[in-house]
Amino acid sequence: GENVEQHPSTLSVQEGDSAVIKCTYSDSASNYFPWYKQELGKRPQLIIDIRSNVGEKKDQRIAVTLNKTAKHFSLHITETQPEDSAVYFCAASEDTGFQKLVFGTGTRLLVSP
Amino acid sequence: EADIYQTPRYLVIGTGKKITLECSQTMGHDKMYWYQQDPGMELHLIHYSYGVNSTEKGDLSSESTVSRIRTEHFPLTLESARPSHTSQYLCASSEFERGYGYTFGSGTRLTVV
Repeated sequence: GENVEQHPSTLSVQEGDSAVIKCTYSDSASNYFPWYKQELGKRPQLIIDIRSNVGEKKDQRIAVTLNKTAKHFSLHITETQPEDSAVYFCAASEDTGFQKLVFGTGTRLLVSP
Repeated sequence: EADIYQTPRYLVIGTGKKITLECSQTMGHDKMYWYQQDPGMELHLIHYSYGVNSTEKGDLSSESTVSRIRTEHFPLTLESARPSHTSQYLCASSEFERGYGYTFGSGTRLTVV
């Protein structure tokens, strides 16, 4: 089955800096890679996703890159703000059939003013 | 508004009690899931369903059971609660074919004393 590893587990940055979170996956059949943000006491919310037919996707200050050959994908947040502080989860699955997301272990991002 | 709803939000219950955590979605999604979230953040799949009368166990062994008699309703039951069941339980639904990834409910934080 799929296994997703996520690093780092904790990331502290200064406001305005960039933050990068990296994930690797094991199943070459996976072709859907979402990222979720979970603020304290709230539900995980989808912030961006990418499918394996593209290598990069951007949405304002966030971007995701995918390297299918190396089986890794990354989340990039530029110009970080205190409200970006949260736990971020990567995940992987096939986007047909079972569609079971396998999540990484999470990264706690702290953005200091 | 179409969403996924979980009740109760918080529950404190004594050891040995039977409990049911409710999950309902108004988005018409076929697939639904239950995840257990550690205090340390990790999300573990405990049950999933592809549609009415379809249920499967997830990757994390769980003493809970689920049912899916109606598309919109996916309750989780613990026949005899134990302190080791103390955790946050998150319900989610998806319909990838229509472009909808996972939407999570707000969760039930269960404490067994």
